[in-house]
Amino acid sequence: DAKTTQPPSMDCAEGRAANLPCNHSTISGNEYVYWYRQIHSQGPQYIIHGLKNNETNEMASLIITEDRKSSTLILPHATLRDTAVYYCIVRVQGGSEKLVFGKGTKLTVNP
Amino acid sequence: GAVVSQHPSRVICKSGTSVKIECRSLDFQATTMFWYRQFPKQSLMLMATSNEGSKATYEQGVEKDKFLINHASLTLSTLTVTSAHPEDSSFYICSARMGRGNSQPQHFGDGTRLSIL
Repeated sequence: DAKTTQPPSMDCAEGRAANLPCNHSTISGNEYVYWYRQIHSQGPQYIIHGLKNNETNEMASLIITEDRKSSTLILPHATLRDTAVYYCIVRVQGGSEKLVFGKGTKLTVNP
Repeated sequence: GAVVSQHPSRVICKSGTSVKIECRSLDFQATTMFWYRQFPKQSLMLMATSNEGSKATYEQGVEKDKFLINHASLTLSTLTVTSAHPEDSSFYICSARMGRGNSQPQHFGDGTRLSIL
């Protein structure tokens, strides 16, 4: 599965949008982009995933560039409870089922 | 949404004890479950893939005789850490997903913090 690159940390003001970038320049045509987050001492929480088109759900929006080499997770109105480590992972549909976690981005939402 | 339950959430025991951790998918059938381990300030590392009705597939460097995995039903997988020692102290997390060969995401339990004295 393709590797991803994320900034190690980011800060965001409460109530503002948090935009978390992810580079996956070696992504293949059949690989999906998944986003998870892990709040301290808990298991990872699924946020959103996509293949080509932008996606939106009740938690976040996922913007994937046209060449699919990068994506951005958007939390539209960050709250203090959104402070977590955010992981961007690419995985092949129907291929190896496993998720390979990188180091992620530690997002700190400040009051 | 899909819920995965993990039990116990915390275990403290003496060296040499065997510890069993349960992972249940509460509202869906999971043909495949996964077991991860996370040391402090590190990312999750996959230990093994648990397949219902067949043997687990272990990642390189993970001792299958030490970390016994049983996936006897479509909703339950167990991880037994046999003869645990202090170096086995870690945060163990399971995950499960619906179906195979699709884009359905994995859903994770809340983890088990294992402390071996």
